Amino acid sequence: QVQLQESGPGLVKPSQTLSLTCTVSGGSISRDGYYWGWIRQHPETGLEWIGYIYNSESTFYNPSLKSRVTISADTSKNQFSLRLNSVTAADTAIYYCVKEYCSPSNCYAFFDSWGQGTLVTVSS
Amino acid sequence: EIVLTQSPGTLSLSPGERATLSCRAGQSVRGRHLAWYQQKLGQAPRLLIYGASTRATGIPDRFSGSGSGTDFTLTISRLEPEDFAVYYCQQYGSSPGTFGQGTKVEIK
Repeated sequence: QVQLQESGPGLVKPSQTLSLTCTVSGGSISRDGYYWGWIRQHPETGLEWIGYIYNSESTFYNPSLKSRVTISADTSKNQFSLRLNSVTAADTAIYYCVKEYCSPSNCYAFFDSWGQGTLVTVSS
Repeated sequence: EIVLTQSPGTLSLSPGERATLSCRAGQSVRGRHLAWYQQKLGQAPRLLIYGASTRATGIPDRFSGSGSGTDFTLTISRLEPEDFAVYYCQQYGSSPGTFGQGTKVEIK
């Protein structure tokens, strides 16, 4: 059973960059065909998919955030990371790292493993 | 993107009762690619159902999903005390995947 754990600052100033890391145990992020991603949960607007990385370097982002988001992977540490630039108060949320579900033949964009989540507050 | 609307917002029921939760999509969900999650206070969501009706590993059979096109339903046949939580639907048939706003199932 894969386990995921988010880490990073809980407070970020407006206009700065939010940076989070997800450490994966019980599975390798470099395993072919596995998709690793980020989702956030706003108190008011609910759950929002941010993006994912697969094969350690290919990425796909939500168009609403694409201009500000980068997801990358460090296979030597079995970690993947999220960077979100130019943050505002609207980026205040709980951020989850997730694994997409994969059958033997395909992967699907729903999520069978979640980290516990980390609250990031954007405030001066 | 596809907007998902869940109803009711809150469902007040007693243990042992049947819960019926609705998820309606603004346009047809391709391939019945709809999932349901349960979230308890302070915890991450947990996958219950995918493919509209397939239970995830370890999910009790009192949870069932149905529907296609734009209308989907999650049914809990007999509520156990641990089932009182918030439930979300998510479509993954079209990118970006989107979530409903949630239905809270509370103890009456």
